[in-house]
Amino acid sequence: DAGVTQSPTHLIKTRGQQVTLRCSPKSGHDTVSWYQQALGQGPQFIFQYYEEEERQRGNFPDRFSGHQFPNYSSELNVNALLLGDSALYLCASSLGPLNQPQHFGDGTRLSIL
Amino acid sequence: AQSVTQPDIHITVSEGASLELRCNYSYGATPYLFWYVQSPGQGLQLLLKYFSGDTLVQGIKGFEAEFKRSQSSFNLRKPSVHWSDAAEYFCAVGEGLTGGGNKLTFGTGTQLKVEL
Repeated sequence: DAGVTQSPTHLIKTRGQQVTLRCSPKSGHDTVSWYQQALGQGPQFIFQYYEEEERQRGNFPDRFSGHQFPNYSSELNVNALLLGDSALYLCASSLGPLNQPQHFGDGTRLSIL
Repeated sequence: AQSVTQPDIHITVSEGASLELRCNYSYGATPYLFWYVQSPGQGLQLLLKYFSGDTLVQGIKGFEAEFKRSQSSFNLRKPSVHWSDAAEYFCAVGEGLTGGGNKLTFGTGTQLKVEL
């Protein structure tokens, strides 16, 4: 039973660039949520995707966008990268947007130079 | 808005000693509460959850937590800590959102160190 998988595991970018992170949900799950975890902090909710639509969004600027594909996998895109975007980006999946708990992947470590 | 407070940033215990990690939440309705553990370079692993019913919930790895509504607390306990329990622990509250969907709000975490 495959868990949540994320790629890549590490990424280094420079300010102003754009980045795409990918997530495959746990087998049988159809809802994907993205979180940003800055160093020494708890994860912060970015947005949630269900039925290929963004259903909920946290307090993040429009530079953060996403997509969900028919196979339930998801991408997180960040444009015009800032130094403050350096963080661990976690993907979580669940069966349905109202269901808990959410199962997490190991994350993508994004470093901005 | 909901919030979660973990007052202890770091805790050190000896192997074999008991452990209690504190968590206080602020949420208007009946909360969904969770404890997750994160090892270095890893994602979050669910230890246990509280949705309703029995206020003492059992989780994996010998952990348990007790929901106390009057104190708005959901403290995590383990009677005897193992060296492999050294990690960061996060308490979280699940919130249903207007229009459907849900999100988790996390505390800032407690780093557990285990002395041999």
